[in-house]
Amino acid sequence: EAGVAQSPRYKIIEKRQSVAFWCNPISGHATLYWYQQILGQGPKLLIQFQNNGVVDDSQLPKDRFSAERLKGVDSTLKIQPAKLEDSAVYLCASFALGSAPSYEQYFGPGTRLTVT
Amino acid sequence: DAKTTQPNSMESNEEEPVHLPCNHSTISGTDYIHWYRQLPSQGPEYVIHGLTSNVNNRMASLAIAEDRKSSTLILHRATLRDAAVYYCILRGLTQGGSEKLVFGKGMKLTVNP
Repeated sequence: EAGVAQSPRYKIIEKRQSVAFWCNPISGHATLYWYQQILGQGPKLLIQFQNNGVVDDSQLPKDRFSAERLKGVDSTLKIQPAKLEDSAVYLCASFALGSAPSYEQYFGPGTRLTVT
Repeated sequence: DAKTTQPNSMESNEEEPVHLPCNHSTISGTDYIHWYRQLPSQGPEYVIHGLTSNVNNRMASLAIAEDRKSSTLILHRATLRDAAVYYCILRGLTQGGSEKLVFGKGMKLTVNP
């Protein structure tokens, strides 16, 4: 089965510019996550979707970050305007709710963002 | 969120067993223990998980202490491909009551040829 797809793989922008990341989860996976991973740290959850609804966005900096999953499949994460501290790898993961007994989240390769 | 404590790094030799420890003294009765690993320039991948009993799968074994305050991931025969950052995670709940993973800094495993 195809894995979680993300694009672009790399992006370099200047501060105050905007950027968008795209994620296509594994087919049939209702739950989708966006994580931010700063160099040397573990991934931090930004937002979780269940189908096209937001389950948890408590750690999403809503003044500059937004995310949507309009048809319950693909998702986009946007940053506007970007700051230097947004330089990180942005990971998308998906999960098949109810796929007992596995609780495995499947991660994409990530998008490495550099803000200069 | 319940926290886990891991060494910052470990080294092992190829084809030898390696035991990766994790402490989770504040674990609750319903917390599952998950292990993920992250190879360089890749997203994390699931390794194994358990609740109370020891678990085995094709990748590794998970030994859970009787009081559940610690666990050990066992790679029976380390290969160069096992060099990665390993995360020991207690599965928690989001604000919406759904499941989430809270990653710490993890532990870097180096495998020497």
